[in-house]
Amino acid sequence: GQQLNQSPQSMFIQEGEDVSMNCTSSSIFNTWLWYKQDPGEGPVLLIALYKAGELTSNGRLTAQFGITRKDSFLNISASIPSDVGIYFCAGRWSSGNTPLVFGKGTRLSVIA
Amino acid sequence: DSGVTQTPKHLITATGQRVTLRCSPRSGDLSVYWYQQSLDQGLQFLIQYYNGEERAKGNILERFSAQQFPDLHSELNLSSLELGDSALYFCASSVAGGARTSGDRTDTQYFGPGTRLTVL
Repeated sequence: GQQLNQSPQSMFIQEGEDVSMNCTSSSIFNTWLWYKQDPGEGPVLLIALYKAGELTSNGRLTAQFGITRKDSFLNISASIPSDVGIYFCAGRWSSGNTPLVFGKGTRLSVIA
Repeated sequence: DSGVTQTPKHLITATGQRVTLRCSPRSGDLSVYWYQQSLDQGLQFLIQYYNGEERAKGNILERFSAQQFPDLHSELNLSSLELGDSALYFCASSVAGGARTSGDRTDTQYFGPGTRLTVL
């Protein structure tokens, strides 16, 4: 099936460092969503973006809907051990009546 | 807690068997989506129901089927199970059915905790 290009695939960082991950699509999206998944659990919605250029924060997390509507990034500032997990981007193509498409995820490991 | 509930949490069965997974959406949500996540894989969309009717279909095998009932809960039926069907199965729900061409928060999906299916 169709998927987004999410990078990096994995990251190992020191506690306190900032993190950045992004997703790109070859088609225009009308929605970008960022989820975090802990092992064996369901994805938890972190940030939702609905308009091109939109910049939204949720605590130490910040995400932006790219101006071209084909990309989005998620930044995590001052990482802590509980940030460990898999982060998924998801998007919906702007043609309407289409399901979400998920990236393959970025696995984040935080070294204390 | 997203408000989406799924049962059972774990399911172990044998090849060739049939199982039913259940999902109750958040209060007020009309859409239910089913996803499959195999080991170390991303989420693969299976099927969507909106207010009792099938709205969209993804990579769902013919051995799998789903339905949404009048009370809006949904069931995913998996039959003639194979070893490769072992995976996490997630349900998600949203207020609306995702038919808009512009982004809207009513289409945002919230996920349940999942059912881990193991086929032996």
